Amino acid sequence: GAVVSQHPSWVICKSGTSVKIECRSLDFQATTMFWYRQFPKQSLMLMATSNEGSKATYEQGVEKDKFLINHASLTLSTLTVTSAHPEDSSFYICSARDSTQGAGNTIYFGEGSWLTVV
Amino acid sequence: QKEVEQDPGPLSVPEGAIVSLNCTYSNSAFQYFMWYRQYSRKGPELLMYTYSSGNKEDGRFTAQVDKSSKYISLFIRDSQPSDSATYLCAMSAGEGGSEKLVFGKGTKLTVNP
Repeated sequence: GAVVSQHPSWVICKSGTSVKIECRSLDFQATTMFWYRQFPKQSLMLMATSNEGSKATYEQGVEKDKFLINHASLTLSTLTVTSAHPEDSSFYICSARDSTQGAGNTIYFGEGSWLTVV
Repeated sequence: QKEVEQDPGPLSVPEGAIVSLNCTYSNSAFQYFMWYRQYSRKGPELLMYTYSSGNKEDGRFTAQVDKSSKYISLFIRDSQPSDSATYLCAMSAGEGGSEKLVFGKGTKLTVNP
């Protein structure tokens, strides 16, 4: 099946620094990617929708200046957590929509990235 | 009322049991329904993908959608310890563009050997 690669799988950073997480669709083109965060024992919370070549659409309550999203190509979207604080520590997951003809626009998830801010 | 309701469990069954997982929803615009399996500390893995009402079978898994009742189910036959995970239902009103997936909270399943 389709593979979505997320990197890094985990990262520890100091408070005040910025962290970039990459999401790549390895064998299909993805005009749309989604970024989620998930707290322990909670469901996925959509943060933003990333469209290739245009600005991301953020969900209500998500600070766009803090969570910078770039979708520069059909296979890569990045999430940058700027000036990270301990409360930003979470599991961040991306998903990508397979827009290949015949693929049914199925959405595949990356493995997630654990961010710990100390 | 939340858009998607899912009993979080936990659900514990013996190996070989038939497992039934369910979600209800309130938005009649939903047409695409998915079930994901998520192991601890891993990203969700797509299990089943169905459009509109009806049944879909894939190996030991059967997905059912009843749009008239706004109710979807996932059945697991001959459950195995490796099926122990959190199962998330998800649904969307459209398949293209930036249509969002709306998730249930997930049901934690443990299959005991």
